[in-house]
Amino acid sequence: AQTVTQSQPEMSVQEAETVTLSCTYDTSENNYYLFWYKQPPSRQMILVIRQEAYKQQNATENRFSVNFQKAAKSFSLKISDSQLGDTAMYFCAHSNGGTASKLTFGTGTRLQVTL
Amino acid sequence: NAGVMQNPRHLVRRRGQEARLRCSPMKGHSHVYWYRQLPEEGLKFMVYLQKENIIDESGMPKERFSAEFPKEGPSILRIQQVVRGDSAAYFCASSPEGAINYGYTFGSGTRLTVV
Repeated sequence: AQTVTQSQPEMSVQEAETVTLSCTYDTSENNYYLFWYKQPPSRQMILVIRQEAYKQQNATENRFSVNFQKAAKSFSLKISDSQLGDTAMYFCAHSNGGTASKLTFGTGTRLQVTL
Repeated sequence: NAGVMQNPRHLVRRRGQEARLRCSPMKGHSHVYWYRQLPEEGLKFMVYLQKENIIDESGMPKERFSAEFPKEGPSILRIQQVVRGDSAAYFCASSPEGAINYGYTFGSGTRLTVV
């Protein structure tokens, strides 16, 4: 079974600074997908970024980028130029390849962006 | 284009009552997924449905829980004889055919409180 581990329950960063959220996972599959979701106080789950395991290049979406280390099964999220609106829970998730695949989530990291 | 619509947003039930949670997928999406989020935890997969078919129910409790996605109308997650431990946020997500690995779209969730 797949597992996803987020070892940082809470993080804090000052506005305009950079923060990195950690995620490790375990899977026996060779083809899989990794995601970071953001959950603000509104509770809406918002997809931040995704990574395909067979792609070596790290995914980037504006201020959000990942450091994907396949051999180490590590998938960290870097947020640059942090903004107050980035305050939220962040969940790392994994899915296997294929169309009938479910997401396995970590327990989340609560990020607080301060002035 | 409305997103994934879940209702009600909040639902309070007394122990022993039934809870019905509704999910209308995005237009054109034929796949629906239900997840449960217990307090301070990540989302846990419950069930995956296509129109009129249950594809994967490996995360559903064996008793009291059922789900359907009829040909017409929303998907329904039904919890019979609710207990306090059922109190959680229930999220629905949808995707078009084969798009799970692009990170499907979540609704805003239904928060069920059992008193």
